[in-house]
Amino acid sequence: AQTVTQSQPEMSVQEAETVTLSCTYDTSENNYYLFWYKQPPSRQMILVIRQEAYKQQNATENRFSVNFQKAAKSFSLKISDSQLGDTAMYFCAFTTSGTYKYIFGTGTRLKVLA
Amino acid sequence: GEEVAQTPKHLVRGEGQKAKLYCAPIKGHSYVFWYQQVLKNEFKFLISFQNENVFDETGMPKERFSAKCLPNSPCSLEIQATKLEDSAVYFCASSQSGTGPATNEKLFFGSGTQLSVL
Repeated sequence: AQTVTQSQPEMSVQEAETVTLSCTYDTSENNYYLFWYKQPPSRQMILVIRQEAYKQQNATENRFSVNFQKAAKSFSLKISDSQLGDTAMYFCAFTTSGTYKYIFGTGTRLKVLA
Repeated sequence: GEEVAQTPKHLVRGEGQKAKLYCAPIKGHSYVFWYQQVLKNEFKFLISFQNENVFDETGMPKERFSAKCLPNSPCSLEIQATKLEDSAVYFCASSQSGTGPATNEKLFFGSGTQLSVL
């Protein structure tokens, strides 16, 4: 079975500091996609960053970057220069080509402190 | 439209009543997904559609849950005889291509329908 595990239920970080959220997954597939979604209190799910498994280069979107370790099946999210607006639940998600099913982790609640 | 529109935002039902939720995917998106989020945590996959065809319904409690995506109509998720455990936020998402190596696999989410069963 394919699973996504987020082992940190809650984290906090000081404004302007850097924080890393962990995610591990389990699959026997070779062609898959990984995502980080942000869910602020408004409930809206917002895509933060995406990584294709066949790409060795780690994805980066402004202050957000990932550390993708395929052999270890690890996909952590690094947020640099944390801002108050980054306070939200963060979900790691996984899908394989053609399954039309995205599997989510249980989320990490991140609080950015002023 | 340019966003996934879910209605209503909140729905309150007594146990045993029927609940019907609606989702209008982004225009041009062929794939629709329904997820159930309980206690603001885990997202449980319910069902996916490719246009009006069910693609994967392995997450659906079939006894009481049903869903449709008909042409020229919003998609719907219906729960017959709701139970307390059905209380959750139900998210609809759409994507242009489902999942595929050369196309946009990004899911666009609606803002969810909060169902409270009393």
